[in-house]
Amino acid sequence: GAVVSQHPSRVICKSGTSVKIECRSLDFQATTMFWYRQFPKQSLMLMATSNEGSKATYEQGVEKDKFLINHASLTLSTLTVTSAHPEDSSFYICSARDPSGRATYEQYFGPGTRLTVT
Amino acid sequence: AQKITQTQPGMFVQEKEAVTLDCTYDTSDQSYGLFWYKQPSSGEMIFLIYQGSYDEQNATEGRYSLNFQKARKSANLVISASQLGDSAMYFCAMRSGNQFYFGTGTSLTVIP
Repeated sequence: GAVVSQHPSRVICKSGTSVKIECRSLDFQATTMFWYRQFPKQSLMLMATSNEGSKATYEQGVEKDKFLINHASLTLSTLTVTSAHPEDSSFYICSARDPSGRATYEQYFGPGTRLTVT
Repeated sequence: AQKITQTQPGMFVQEKEAVTLDCTYDTSDQSYGLFWYKQPSSGEMIFLIYQGSYDEQNATEGRYSLNFQKARKSANLVISASQLGDSAMYFCAMRSGNQFYFGTGTSLTVIP
């Protein structure tokens, strides 16, 4: 199956700093990538849809100035958490849609990034 | 309105037995897709099985099968011959239009 990587897998940062998370599709071109957030023992919450070459579409309640998304190429999307605060501590997961996938809209998930803000 | 409902927060099953994880969905679309994912403690989301709304046959993938009852809007996951490694969170998801919706998940514990 298709492979999606995320870097870093874990990051600890101080309150007020920014942190960037990378999501890469390794063996396919992903015109659309998704960013999710997951709190402990809860479901995935879609934060935004990232389309290559255009602005991301954010879900209601997600601050676009705080969670900056860039999808500059067909294999890379980045999420930057700006001026992070402890409440931003969470598990962030990206996924990428492979247009040629078996299931037409199948998503392939990255392994996730655990962000801890101290 | 909640799109995906998983009513079992936790389930236990004896090793080698079968278990059914429930999922109901809500959509007015004619074309949609239903997915099940497994999330072990490591956090990665592992794709298990897919069912298209127009598929007449229930999907099967090895020990996983999806009991699709369109009229009832249910898409239950059946895991046969449970193994200890099946212990994990299981999420039901639906693609409707350009959006994916996830249920709240079911924590499955396989007892030796």
